[in-house]
Amino acid sequence: AQTVTQSQPEMSVQEAETVTLSCTYDTSESNYYLFWYKQPPSRQMILVIRQEAYKQQNATENRFSVNFQKAAKSFSLKISDSQLGDTAMYFCAFMKHVNNYGQNFVFGPGTRLSVLP
Amino acid sequence: EAGVTQFPSHSVIEKGQTVTLRCDPISGHDNLYWYRRVMGKEIKFLLHFVKESKQDESGMPNNRFLAERTGGTYSTLKVQPAELEDSGVYFCASSHFYGGIGIDTQYFGPGTRLTVL
Repeated sequence: AQTVTQSQPEMSVQEAETVTLSCTYDTSESNYYLFWYKQPPSRQMILVIRQEAYKQQNATENRFSVNFQKAAKSFSLKISDSQLGDTAMYFCAFMKHVNNYGQNFVFGPGTRLSVLP
Repeated sequence: EAGVTQFPSHSVIEKGQTVTLRCDPISGHDNLYWYRRVMGKEIKFLLHFVKESKQDESGMPNNRFLAERTGGTYSTLKVQPAELEDSGVYFCASSHFYGGIGIDTQYFGPGTRLTVL
């Protein structure tokens, strides 16, 4: 069974600084997908970024980028130029590669990030 | 385009009572998923519908939980009778249906916070 670990229950960062959230996972699958979702205090969970395991290039979305180390089974999220609106719970999630059926997530426990003014 | 909606946002019931949670997916999304987060732990998969059919219900904790998706539109999750350990946040997510390999982004609702006293 797959597991996802986020070792930092809480983190804080000053506005405009850079912060990195860690995520490690365990799987015997060779092809899979990794995601970061954020859940702001308003509670709607939003996709931040996703990475296909077969792609060597790290995914980036504006100020968000990942450091995907497949051999180490590590998938960290870097947030550059942190903004107050980045304050949220961040969940790392794993999805194994299948056909359209059975595409459910395995989530980590989450990291609560606070961006300080 | 309206997002995934869930009703109610909060529910407080007594042990032994029945509660029904509702999820309205994004229009046109054939895939509908239920997840729950109990006591600040990981978000866990409960089940997956493709249209009105249950594709995977391996995450349902026991037979006190019944999910339906009549007509392939909205879904309900009934807990009967509710127990203390059922307290948590219940999330719904939806995505498009893909005929082949690959995945589609899951869009989450805001969740229903269930408290069983």
